[in-house]
Amino acid sequence: DAMVIQNPRYQVTQFGKPVTLSCSQTLNHNVMYWYQQKSSQAPKLLFHYYDKDFNNEADTPDNFQSRRPNTSFCFLDIRSPGLGDAAMYLCATSREGGWTYNEQFFGPGTRLTVL
Amino acid sequence: RKEVEQDPGPFNVPEGATVAFNCTYSNSASQSFFWYRQDCRKEPKLLMSVYSSGNEDGRFTAQLNRASQYISLLIRDSKLSDSATYLCVVNGPGGGADGLTFGKGTHLIIQP
Repeated sequence: DAMVIQNPRYQVTQFGKPVTLSCSQTLNHNVMYWYQQKSSQAPKLLFHYYDKDFNNEADTPDNFQSRRPNTSFCFLDIRSPGLGDAAMYLCATSREGGWTYNEQFFGPGTRLTVL
Repeated sequence: RKEVEQDPGPFNVPEGATVAFNCTYSNSASQSFFWYRQDCRKEPKLLMSVYSSGNEDGRFTAQLNRASQYISLLIRDSKLSDSATYLCVVNGPGGGADGLTFGKGTHLIIQP
């Protein structure tokens, strides 16, 4: 089945130690998103790629970076994780064209713990 | 005013009852509106899109009120399995994929 896959499902890192989360999709969607969701809060959009075009949200800290080497893969790099970065990180994809926004398909998420 | 606001609840509702909740949005230029469902510690999944004319999918009805800038979700004959958090999603000033904003969600608990 076509899907959005995130690895790992659970990631533990140390304060300040760089970490990379990965997302892959078999839907061939042109847009990929990264969200951060903390407990009892809404998913917060960090950035998205529209094809190869990177779109950063204005309030996303510089500590968060992303790479999309091809259509199928997208990575979230946290350069120096702080305790406040502990959260669920959700990857999503959608097929976009023009003004309309289409359904997003989410991966199962990576739960990040920072020690 | 927050961009997308929802009553966090929880809404405690007996099985079989009808429940409705709203979501208000601040950007009058928003074009796309959705309800997503998120179960505890799971990813959000699309429940239904919200169209200008209103739309129904089985026990679920969604409506859009542009004049008052809110969308609503009505669940009839509620089931225990409807217990979840319902997230309102609205696209932002840039339109399309830009500035997607989720509400904090409304927590619904269906009681036997």
